[in-house]
Amino acid sequence: EPEVTQTPSHQVTQMGQEVILRCVPISNHLYFYWYRQILGQKVEFLVSFYNNEISEKSEIFDDQFSVERPDGSNFTLKIRSTKLEDSAMYFCASSEGKTEQYFGPGTRLTVT
Amino acid sequence: AQSVSQHNHHVILSEAASLELGCNYSYGGTVNLFWYVQYPGQHLQLLLKYFSGDPLVKGIKGFEAEFIKSKFSFNLRKPSVQWSDTAEYFCAAQMGFKTIFGAGTRLFVKA
Repeated sequence: EPEVTQTPSHQVTQMGQEVILRCVPISNHLYFYWYRQILGQKVEFLVSFYNNEISEKSEIFDDQFSVERPDGSNFTLKIRSTKLEDSAMYFCASSEGKTEQYFGPGTRLTVT
Repeated sequence: AQSVSQHNHHVILSEAASLELGCNYSYGGTVNLFWYVQYPGQHLQLLLKYFSGDPLVKGIKGFEAEFIKSKFSFNLRKPSVQWSDTAEYFCAAQMGFKTIFGAGTRLFVKA
């Protein structure tokens, strides 16, 4: 069964550093998403991406965040200058259309 | 405002007890509704979904949910829980391009 994959599974970085989280969505899916889950809190929507542009983003997704589909298979989330409060589990998801989203296993980001 | 609320944050049950987890959403348009489960140390897995049609939907592992449009609710049920159902359960509503999650309910099933 096809699945969404994410790398790395765990990323540790120092405050102020840039990080790139990588995702490989399911191959025939056209919509891509990033969510995050701060420890002990609920899953929060960050951004959705379709046709090479952002289709919707939340208040959390400020100028320090960016997304890209650099090569037709990967979907990345870049955090330009990480803060302690960016520590969270980041989930990528993809969908064929406005249908159910399939989630990846997540990348645990720890900012020290 | 778009929101999803789950009524219970923590639920403790004995094996074979029945389960019902409440979920309400707030949105003026058409929504797709989901329940996800997250077992300890694992990622989100889809339990069941509702897009349209029969408001009573059946999912994996014996779970079912009922969509009641007039109450903006999508409650999750299971007639008889097992120890292996210990996990966190998230209700979610897809509104346009984004999915809004509830805060989650931690279920602990005593053996």
